[in-house]
Formats: sequence, structure tokens, C-alpha cells
Amino acid sequence: AQSVAQPEDQVNVAEGNPLTVKCTYSVSGNPYLFWYVQYPNRGLQFLLKYITGDNLVKGSYGFEAEFNKSQTSFHLKKPSALVSDSALYFCAAWGYQKVTFGTGTKLQVIP
Amino acid sequence: NAGVTQTPKFQVLKTGQSMTLQCAQDMNHEYMSWYRQDPGMGLRLIHYSVGAGITDQGEVPNGYNVSRSTTEDFPLRLLSAAPSQTSVYFCASSPSWGRDGNEQFFGPGTRLTVL
Repeated sequence: AQSVAQPEDQVNVAEGNPLTVKCTYSVSGNPYLFWYVQYPNRGLQFLLKYITGDNLVKGSYGFEAEFNKSQTSFHLKKPSALVSDSALYFCAAWGYQKVTFGTGTKLQVIP
Repeated sequence: NAGVTQTPKFQVLKTGQSMTLQCAQDMNHEYMSWYRQDPGMGLRLIHYSVGAGITDQGEVPNGYNVSRSTTEDFPLRLLSAAPSQTSVYFCASSPSWGRDGNEQFFGPGTRLTVL
């Protein structure tokens, strides 16, 4: 069965410091992986995706993610965190006709 | 484009009542889906549709029905509301079901409370 894991419920980082939000996956075949962000009382917004090609994927708002096939990971990163990055982040993967989401990681950027 | 729209934004029901959550998209997307979001559980798939006239069950379909008579609309029906259905419901659409690696577009959500 397909699964996506986000091992950290919450990540705290100081403003200006680099941030990492972790994601690991278990899918059959070639993985199609995504990161979404959710601000309070809003729907999810697409950040970036990995389909094929370069292992480092760049997305919206300065975020990037590194695909590592051997570690089955797809960690979200940003070189310098902003207070406005504080939100709930979801990792997701397409399976056959269905998307599996992780449980989400709350990112808190401290001024 | 309005994108994905959902109505109502908030709803309070009594146990045993029925209702329909509306979802519409104006992007001519083939794939539509309904999720519920509960604290600590991420998003769980209720039902999905890969095109007009085609629907299938997701991870947590019990107590919910769907239909897809047009490309644009994908309503979710609660047959007999239960307190366990208190949640935030999100509708999403995508150009295709995933074989092309397309992302999903989400509506703003419906916050449902069942008393």
C-alpha cells in the first residue's frame, strides 16, 4: 500500500535560518511527489512537484525540495525562513487514481 | 477563472439530518475529489471522480455519496449526519488523475459541525 510520512508534527525555526520539513514515501513505480501549503482557514495551495529529472526542484515563494530515491525522501527546504512562511505543510504522492497525503507538519518561524 | 468553489463555508447539522456540500470548478478538469481534514490525520480521501459519470470510493467513503453528472460539478451528500462527520471538507480538481503528474487545485473548504 502507498504511504507518505511526515515524521515531525511541528518544526520551529528562527527567522533568517534555513528550514527543512521532512517527508518520506513508499510508492510503487515512479513517484509523483508534491508539497502543498495551508494557511489558517484556507484550502491547500500547490508549492512544487517532482515528476522526473533533476533531484532538486524549485517552487513558489523560494521553496525547494530534494528528491532522494535511495532514501525515498522528498524534503522541503528554504535557505532563509520568513515569519510569513508559518503554516501547515503537506507532502503528497499520486498513486493509481488517488493521492496520498502525509499528516502535515506545522512550521513555526520565530521572529 | 473562479477555480474551485465550495458552498456553504460553514454548516451546523443535527444528528440524522442530511445535506449536500457543493463543489464546482471552471477549469474543465477531468479529475475531482473530496477530502476531509481532521487534526493529526492529514487529508483523507472520501470519493473521487476521473470524469463525468465515473466515481469511486476513497479511503473513508462510509456515510457519503457522490455523483458526477457534469464535468464542472461534484456534490458530496451526507446521508444521515453523525458527530463523527464533524470535520473540514475540501474539494479538489486536477486536469487528470495523476498519470501526467498534475497538481490538484483546492477549494476553500466547508467547516461542518454535527451536533
